[in-house]
Amino acid sequence: DTGVSQDPRHKITKRGQNVTFRCDPISEHNRLYWYRQTLGQGPEFLTYFQNEAQLEKSRLLSDRFSAERPKGSFSTLEIQRTEQGDSAMYLCASRTGATNEKLFFGSGTQLSVL
Amino acid sequence: DQQVKQNSPSLSVQEGRISILNCDYTNSMFDYFLWYKKYPAEGPTFLISISSIKDKNEDGRFTVFLNKSAKHLSLHIVPSQPGDSAVYFCAASTNTGNQFYFGTGTSLTVIP
Repeated sequence: DTGVSQDPRHKITKRGQNVTFRCDPISEHNRLYWYRQTLGQGPEFLTYFQNEAQLEKSRLLSDRFSAERPKGSFSTLEIQRTEQGDSAMYLCASRTGATNEKLFFGSGTQLSVL
Repeated sequence: DQQVKQNSPSLSVQEGRISILNCDYTNSMFDYFLWYKKYPAEGPTFLISISSIKDKNEDGRFTVFLNKSAKHLSLHIVPSQPGDSAVYFCAASTNTGNQFYFGTGTSLTVIP
């Protein structure tokens, strides 16, 4: 069990560029979450997968954001035409489907849009 | 609409003393509560949790208290150590839902 892995750890991009982040959850976890965190705020829910199905999306997830989890394993989060307001830490978390099971977070991807 | 609130952005405590971090929630359907600890540039790490059927859960130096009637929970750290200095997030979820709602965090500084 190597924990939740996220790549890259840091990403600097210019406004208007597209970026893609990857998350590898803990292998036996069928639930996968993406959160966004900005300075002084708690993690904000973006989207949630159960296996390969994307079951919930926050209204924070504009049409420039898309997430996938092919085959119910790793997940990708893509941001198209990045804006400065997209600068944040993007956190991935996973858990089993058991009741009252905690979330396990990765180390996050820190995105800076210049 | 902030369903989980941490009204103290920061807290400073002397080493060896008790740290008390507070959290309030508004959704009466929440029945599972968690505390996470976060260091800069790292993801949150799980600390302790409590379900709504209990009013107290203890794990070593960490104790979480739940007051359902007041919709309030607190995390006690005794004794506080410099390594406890971090941001602490309170989170809540419902039994039937899949979302976890987080507070805005309290930055704890333990002074040696």
